[in-house]
Amino acid sequence: AQRVTQPEKLLSVFKGAPVELKCNYSYSGSPELFWYVQYSRQRLQLLLRHISRESIKGFTADLNKGETSFHLKKPFAQEEDSAMYYCALSGLGLGYNKLIFGAGTRLAVHP
Amino acid sequence: DVKVTQSSRYLVKRTGEKVFLECVQDMDHENMFWYRQDPGLGLRLIYFSYDVKMKEKGDIPEGYSVSREKKERFSLILESASTNQTSMYLCASSLLRLAADTQYFGPGTRLTVL
Repeated sequence: AQRVTQPEKLLSVFKGAPVELKCNYSYSGSPELFWYVQYSRQRLQLLLRHISRESIKGFTADLNKGETSFHLKKPFAQEEDSAMYYCALSGLGLGYNKLIFGAGTRLAVHP
Repeated sequence: DVKVTQSSRYLVKRTGEKVFLECVQDMDHENMFWYRQDPGLGLRLIYFSYDVKMKEKGDIPEGYSVSREKKERFSLILESASTNQTSMYLCASSLLRLAADTQYFGPGTRLTVL
């Protein structure tokens, strides 16, 4: 069955420390992976997707098909990165642009 | 700039009431979605629609129905609200029908069922 696992509910770091939010997926086809972010009192929005290979707000994520992972990384965390982060999976087999979301990881960056 | 709006930010209803949540998008998107967002569970898809009058069940459709009479509007209906439907409800839309496209989310409706 298709599934997205984010093993950490909360990740707490100090400003300037490296950050890695973990995401593992289960999917038999060719996956498309996304990271969505929800800042306090704001709507959920796309942060990045693996096919664009962009770095957004200093965040990057590499799709590792061998380990079925799509971890989100940033070398130096900032306080404004504090938010809820969701990893999401899509693919042809899921059809019609459906997304499967993980449970989310709350990132707290302390001064 | 895509705009997805939801009719209410907060709703309080009583058990057994019929509840309507409305969502409107202004970018001529093909797809529209309804999710519920619960702590520790992430977002779970209730229903989605890829065209006017077309709908597909998501992962948790029980106790819900939907309506899409116009392309820009997608309604979620709780036929008889129950306390376990207390949640944050998010609407989303996306442009392309058969591709993994970016979903744009509304601000959410926090529903409390007493």
